Amino acid sequence: DAKTTQPNSMESNEEEPVHLPCNHSTISGTDYIHWYRQLPSQGPEYVIHGLTSNVNNRMASLAIAEDRKSSTLILHRATLRDAAVYYCILRDVYGGSQGNLIFGKGTKLSVKP
Amino acid sequence: EPEVTQTPSHQVTQMGQEVILRCVPISNHLYFYWYRQILGQKVEFLVSFYNNEISEKSEIFDDQFSVERPDGSNFTLKIRSTKLEDSAMYFCASSEASGTPYEQYFGPGTRLTVT
Repeated sequence: DAKTTQPNSMESNEEEPVHLPCNHSTISGTDYIHWYRQLPSQGPEYVIHGLTSNVNNRMASLAIAEDRKSSTLILHRATLRDAAVYYCILRDVYGGSQGNLIFGKGTKLSVKP
Repeated sequence: EPEVTQTPSHQVTQMGQEVILRCVPISNHLYFYWYRQILGQKVEFLVSFYNNEISEKSEIFDDQFSVERPDGSNFTLKIRSTKLEDSAMYFCASSEASGTPYEQYFGPGTRLTVT
């Protein structure tokens, strides 16, 4: 799986939007962009994924650059519960690694009241 | 909402002892995984399991580790002779199928402490 680069940490205020960036300049045409998060003392949790088009779900939005070399996870209104480590992970559509996730260090998001 | 469960939540064992960590994946899922996370470090893949066989394993998953699906619901990770460096959070995960776009659902983890 191709490598991703994320900032180590970010801060946000409660009720404000948060944009979490991810760079993946060596992404291949068959790599999906996945986001997971890990709340304190919990297991990782799926957030969203996309291939080329922007995606929305009940948790977040994913904005993918036209050249796909970067993406941004958008939390529209951060809550205290969104404080977590957010991981951007690339996964080949053909499942070349049999499906296992390769986690980096992620971005630790702090949310201030 | 269906969820992955793990027992126990915390296991303390002495070095050299055998431990078995248990997981109940989501019922209609076919793929099962174990990951571990040493305190303050990244989540690391250990092993994936499908159709009663190991699909893939990492370098961490050596002969001291084994996995089993003893019945239709449980998925277990056994460490035969624990070492101090096995102290970590162990997460079980399951998915409907392998690869993208199938997301993996993680359990809450078992904290293993080896003394």
